[in-house]
This record gives sequence, structure tokens and C-alpha cells, in this order.
Amino acid sequence: AQRVTQPEKLLSVFKGAPVELKCNYSYSGSPELFWYVQYSRQRLQLLLRHISRESIKGFTADLNKGETSFHLKKPFAQEEDSAMYYCALGVFNKFYFGSGTKLNVKP
Amino acid sequence: DTGVSQNPRHKITKRGQNVTFRCDPISEHNRLYWYRQTLGQGPEFLTYFQNEAQLEKSRLLSDRFSAERPKGSFSTLEIQRTEQGDSAMYLCASSFGQTHTGELFFGEGSRLTVL
Repeated sequence: AQRVTQPEKLLSVFKGAPVELKCNYSYSGSPELFWYVQYSRQRLQLLLRHISRESIKGFTADLNKGETSFHLKKPFAQEEDSAMYYCALGVFNKFYFGSGTKLNVKP
Repeated sequence: DTGVSQNPRHKITKRGQNVTFRCDPISEHNRLYWYRQTLGQGPEFLTYFQNEAQLEKSRLLSDRFSAERPKGSFSTLEIQRTEQGDSAMYLCASSFGQTHTGELFFGEGSRLTVL
């Protein structure tokens, strides 16, 4: 069965520190992985997808099929990065979400 | 186009009553999804449509839940004989795609409270 695991409920870092939000998935086929973000009082929105291999707002994520992971990284966190982050697995036009990690960037 | 729109934004009802939520997707999007989210959890897949066809329904969804998307435009999600366990945020999302998983555009959600 498809499953997405985000082991950290809350991650607190100071401004300027590196950030890594962990995501592991369970799927036997070829996965499509995404990171979605929800800022305070805003709707859930796409941050990045593995197929694009791009950096958005300084965030990157690399798909590691051997470790079945898709961790989200940013070298220098900013206060405006504080939000809920959800990792999602796309399978045949359905999306399975992890339980989310709340990132708190302290000044 | 203001994006995906959901109504009502909040609904408080008594146990046993029926409720209906409406979702208006982005106009050119052919796929429409319903998700449920409870406190501390991520969105949980309920069902999705491609145009007017309901292609899949989660096994977690009881027969009290029904969704429609007439004419492939807006969609409704009805919950009959509500239970307290139905209290949650109901999210709608739409996407455009034919063969590949596309980006989901979410609405702001409809929060249901069952007393």
C-alpha cells in the first residue's frame, strides 16, 4: 500500500540555520513526489515536485529511490519559511499526503 | 478566475443531519478531488473525478458519503446522517491533466463540526 511518512511533527530552527524536513514513502512502482506548503491563513499550495528538479524559494528535494526518501532542504532558513509542509506521493492520478511537519523559524 | 472555491466555509450541524458541500474548480481543470483533513493529519484522499466520471472512491469512505460532478463542472459532497467522527476540514482540489499526475490547486476548505 502507498504510504508517506513525515517523522517530525515540529521542527524549530533559528534564522539562517540549515533546514531538512524528512519524508519517506512506500510504493513499489515509479513514484511521483511533491512537497506542498501551507502558510498561515492560506490554502495548501505546491512548493516543488521531483520531476522538475528545480529550486523554489531556496528549497530543493532529491528523490532517493534506494532509501525511498524525498527530503526537503534549505541551506539558510528565513522567518517567512515558517509554515506547514506536506510531502505527497502521486500514484495514478491520486495523491497521498504525509501528516505534515510544522516548520518554525525563530528570529 | 479566483481559483478553487468551496462553500460553505463553515458548517455546524447536529448529529444525524445531512450536509452538502460545494466545490467550484478552476474552469479549465478536468480533474477534481475531495480530501478530508483532521487535526494533526495530512489530507486524506476521499474520491476524484475526471470530467463528470467518478474514477475512484476511497475504501475508507462509508456509504453515507456521496459525491457528484454533473457536467464535469462543479462538484458536491454530501454526507448523510452525520456522526461526530465526520467533523473535519473537507478540501477540494482540481488539476489539469490527461495522462500524468498534475499539480493540485486547493480550495480553502469547508470545516464541518458535528455536535
